Amino acid sequence: EAQVTQNPRYLITVTGKKLTVTCSQNMNHEYMSWYRQDPGLGLRQIYYSMNVEVTDKGDVPEGYKVSRKEKRNFPLILESPSPNQTSLYFCASSLRQGGPTGELFFGEGSRLTVL
Amino acid sequence: TQLLEQSPQFLSIQEGENLTVYCNSSSVFSSLQWYRQEPGEGPVLLVTVVTGGEVKKLKRLTFQFGDARKDSSLHITAAQPGDTGLYLCAGPRGTGANNLFFGTGTRLTVIP
Repeated sequence: EAQVTQNPRYLITVTGKKLTVTCSQNMNHEYMSWYRQDPGLGLRQIYYSMNVEVTDKGDVPEGYKVSRKEKRNFPLILESPSPNQTSLYFCASSLRQGGPTGELFFGEGSRLTVL
Repeated sequence: TQLLEQSPQFLSIQEGENLTVYCNSSSVFSSLQWYRQEPGEGPVLLVTVVTGGEVKKLKRLTFQFGDARKDSSLHITAAQPGDTGLYLCAGPRGTGANNLFFGTGTRLTVIP
């Protein structure tokens, strides 16, 4: 089954404790991205990657890191989480293509609470 | 700065009613997409509109792309409880067709 898998789905942590949210896709997609979703603010892009070893900042990259060492994986790293990073996080992937926008496939989300 | 404004932000209607939600921008987009997100899940693509003035139908859902490609609308006929969810419009950023910018969404509740 084609899917984007995120882990953990739920996490409660404390300020300053490094954490990683993993994201893996099995569709051989070149493009991957991380979004955070907050009430009233919609989906805001954190980082994206057009292919292996190619990453770039989105709209709200502060406090986050990413890496793309393999095509299928795109982990999101919070080196020193703070309460303002409490949010619902989504990983998404897409087949990179020219022309009209392709379909973005989303994971089920990771709800993070930072105390 | 690209901005996609959706209205209304919240909508609660009775089963069987019709409704329209809007996605507006001051920027021109090469295409726009509509996604639906149900509680506890990620957004799922409903449709992509590409040509100005284009109308696409998906069962009881009708999507329209504005002639100037700055806006889009979603019309639902005879809404059902299964239509409940968050409706998001999205358009490509200048950095690549797959790199999407999302609107803030319309949260629809259809009451049985």
